[in-house]
Amino acid sequence: AQKVTQAQTEISVVEKEDVTLDCVYETRDTTYYLFWYKQPPSGELVFLIRRNSFDEQNEISGRYSWNFQKSTSSFNFTITASQVVDSAVYFCALSGTSGSARQLTFGSGTQLTVLP
Amino acid sequence: GAGVSQSPSNKVTEKGKDVELRCDPISGHTALYWYRQSLGQGLEFLIYFQGNSAPDKSGLPSDRFSAERTGGSVSTLTIQRTQQEDSAVYLCASRGGARTEAFFGQGTRLTVV
Repeated sequence: AQKVTQAQTEISVVEKEDVTLDCVYETRDTTYYLFWYKQPPSGELVFLIRRNSFDEQNEISGRYSWNFQKSTSSFNFTITASQVVDSAVYFCALSGTSGSARQLTFGSGTQLTVLP
Repeated sequence: GAGVSQSPSNKVTEKGKDVELRCDPISGHTALYWYRQSLGQGLEFLIYFQGNSAPDKSGLPSDRFSAERTGGSVSTLTIQRTQQEDSAVYLCASRGGARTEAFFGQGTRLTVV
């Protein structure tokens, strides 16, 4: 069975601080996909990024960056110079490519609060 | 619209009644997922449809819950004899393939009184 662990339940930072959200995963598939979603207070789930298991290149998009390390089964998300609008619950997710592993498995989420 | 559509957006029902929640996925998406999110909690997987394959029902919490997907498109999640613990937001997502991301609907907020 596949599993996603987000050990940080809640994080609180002051605006302009950098913050990293941790995600550790388990899967038996050799090909799999990792995702991050944002759920602001309004409730809708917003897709942020997809990463393939065979591409360990880190990615940067504006203030967001993602560090994928297969050796430690981690896919961490960093927000640089955080803003109040970044306050949300962030979910990491995993999907394999074979059988039941194609199910999209989510971590329990990290509540990020950015204080002004 | 082009996104995942769920209806109703809100549903209040009396304990013991049956309810049906509807999901219209993005056209052409072969995969469809149902999740449940209780207040302040994460996403609890319920059921997954992939094309014409038998659905993965491993997340359904009891036999009061069932779902179907007609014609590979619209899906209905049915909860029979609702209980107060069924109160939650029910989220539907669709996906174009194993290599792509899932897109979520706005959810149905179910309140059992």
